[in-house]
Amino acid sequence: KAGVTQTPRYLIKTRGQQVTLSCSPISGHRSVSWYQQTPGQGLQFLFEYFSETQRNKGNFPGRFSGRQFSNSRSEMNVSTLELGDSALYLCASSPLADSTRSYTFGSGTRLTVV
Amino acid sequence: TQLLEQSPQFLSIQEGENLTVYCNSSSVFSSLQWYRQEPGEGPVLLVTVVTGGEVKKLKRLTFQFGDARKDSSLHITAAQPGDTGLYLCAGANFGNEKLTFGTGTRLTIIP
Repeated sequence: KAGVTQTPRYLIKTRGQQVTLSCSPISGHRSVSWYQQTPGQGLQFLFEYFSETQRNKGNFPGRFSGRQFSNSRSEMNVSTLELGDSALYLCASSPLADSTRSYTFGSGTRLTVV
Repeated sequence: TQLLEQSPQFLSIQEGENLTVYCNSSSVFSSLQWYRQEPGEGPVLLVTVVTGGEVKKLKRLTFQFGDARKDSSLHITAAQPGDTGLYLCAGANFGNEKLTFGTGTRLTIIP
């Protein structure tokens, strides 16, 4: 079956702009989580959505937001981009039927802010 | 705030040698996962351990969850160049969908 699909793979934006990243989970997976990966901070949790509801949020400013659609696809948005937002943004999906929570990650979107 | 410290941060060894990577925390986790990530890709789940003292084997990889569910180790026997990558441990707690990732161990196996 198809894996987690993230688009676009690469993105270059200018400071002050906004960006929207997309994630299509594995078919049947209803939970989608987003993570930011940087060399200095590693992988940090942004937020998690289930059935179009945000259930958990990490310690990121309000410039970072997301949403989930009825087909479980998810988008995250970053407004007023800063240089420090340059990172690999990863999306992970989970069926939640598995009590051990098997997460499948996408290949990520590499965002560069200049 | 729950933190997971991995050691060593970097490890470079010859093909055929054995190695152990450690993942330590002062907090208890309901389960702990190990991932391997290659450049330009997302992490790939290797194993999930949920019971204190649990040991799981995946071919040449052996994973152990500490009795107190605060630490874990990954042991690789007879390392191969294909084992090269960034190894990440990640802790989870029931009722919370957030994974807390470790600091990572970058492993290089020299042919």
